[in-house]
Amino acid sequence: DVKVTQSSRYLVKRTGEKVFLECVQDMDHENMFWYRQDPGLGLRLIYFSYDVKMKEKGDIPEGYSVSREKKERFSLILESASTNQTSMYLCASSPRGRETQYFGPGTRLLVL
Amino acid sequence: KQEVTQIPAALSVPEGENLVLNCSFTDSAIYNLQWFRQDPGKGLTSLLLIQSSQREQTSGRLNASLDKSSGRSTLYIAASQPGDSATYLCAVSGGSYIPTFGRGTSLIVHP
Repeated sequence: DVKVTQSSRYLVKRTGEKVFLECVQDMDHENMFWYRQDPGLGLRLIYFSYDVKMKEKGDIPEGYSVSREKKERFSLILESASTNQTSMYLCASSPRGRETQYFGPGTRLLVL
Repeated sequence: KQEVTQIPAALSVPEGENLVLNCSFTDSAIYNLQWFRQDPGKGLTSLLLIQSSQREQTSGRLNASLDKSSGRSTLYIAASQPGDSATYLCAVSGGSYIPTFGRGTSLIVHP
């Protein structure tokens, strides 16, 4: 079974803090994705990566950056957290091509 | 740009009913369509993946159909149970490997 894990299920941070969200997959997938999910807005793509050290902006990259130094790990960084970044963050991975995406359990982030 | 719409946004049914969830998409040049389930506060779980060359896929009480030319897919749930209560999302993949998601149908099956 493919497993995608995220470093935290719940996270509380203060405005202005630097926040790291980690995602690890164990199936040697090339593609990895970061989404945020908000009520009424659905899933929105923040960044994705199709290979190590490669990254592409999604629909809402402002205020975020990413890092992919190893194939299995994709990190989302909030450089200076703001209250409007309070959300559910979901990581996903997929093999090369347009195959099934596998999702992690999500991290619910609250920025105070 | 691909747009995916799911109707209805919410549905409440008594246990035992057969039900249909709808997904429509604007660009019929798709590679595949996927149905996901999401429980409250959790990640998404893949239910069924239909390739563009296929008409339907079945898994247990679930059946998903695809009509690419009309830009529609349906997810049929037979003999619904309270454990089926969740949000169901469809996602369409086209020219890129980034799927476009609908906003989901929130389903409640009450005993």
